[in-house]
Amino acid sequence: NAGVTQTPKFQVLKTGQSMTLQCAQDMNHNSMYWYRQDPGMGLRLIYYSASEGTTDKGEVPNGYNVSRLNKREFSLRLESAAPSQTSVYFCASRDRLNTEAFFGQGTRLTVV
Amino acid sequence: AQSVTQLDSHVSVSEGTPVLLRCNYSSSYSPSLFWYVQHPNKGLQLLLKYTSAATLVKGINGFEAEFKKSETSFHLTKPSAHMSDAAEYFCVVVSGGSNYKLTFGKGTLLTVNP
Repeated sequence: NAGVTQTPKFQVLKTGQSMTLQCAQDMNHNSMYWYRQDPGMGLRLIYYSASEGTTDKGEVPNGYNVSRLNKREFSLRLESAAPSQTSVYFCASRDRLNTEAFFGQGTRLTVV
Repeated sequence: AQSVTQLDSHVSVSEGTPVLLRCNYSSSYSPSLFWYVQHPNKGLQLLLKYTSAATLVKGINGFEAEFKKSETSFHLTKPSAHMSDAAEYFCVVVSGGSNYKLTFGKGTLLTVNP
């Protein structure tokens, strides 16, 4: 049982480049999330998808877009990367309300 | 609205002594609360959760937490620290008004000294 799988694990981008972070879960969960983690800031919610076909902004959505491709997959796109987007990105999924989230191993992104 | 405050950014203990990591929350509805642990360069692992059942919750690796509504607190404790407990710990809240969003505290780094 793979759980939540993120690709890639590491990425270096130049300012202005675009890329898509992929996330897939095999637990048949309804809700999926993208967080970024920065030192001293905890995890901050970028976007989430409460269920297939819906997406909503979190705390820090600027500079990002998402696609809930199907129930399994939730991708995060950086259209024009900026150094401020250097961070570790985590995808998560969750089954029902009031249950815990399961996290991927993270993507370490550096924008130079 | 919901929020979480972890009262200490860094806690240092000696091996074999008790651990206390403090968390206060704010929520307009009855919350669900979680503690996650993150070891260096790793993902996040659930330690324990409170979802309106027993107020004293036991988790993995000897950790437990008590939900105190009157104090809006959910502090994490362990009677005796082990070197392997050194990690960052996050308190997380979900509440009815925005119950799809998990809101994280800023984390507490636990150092365990030999």
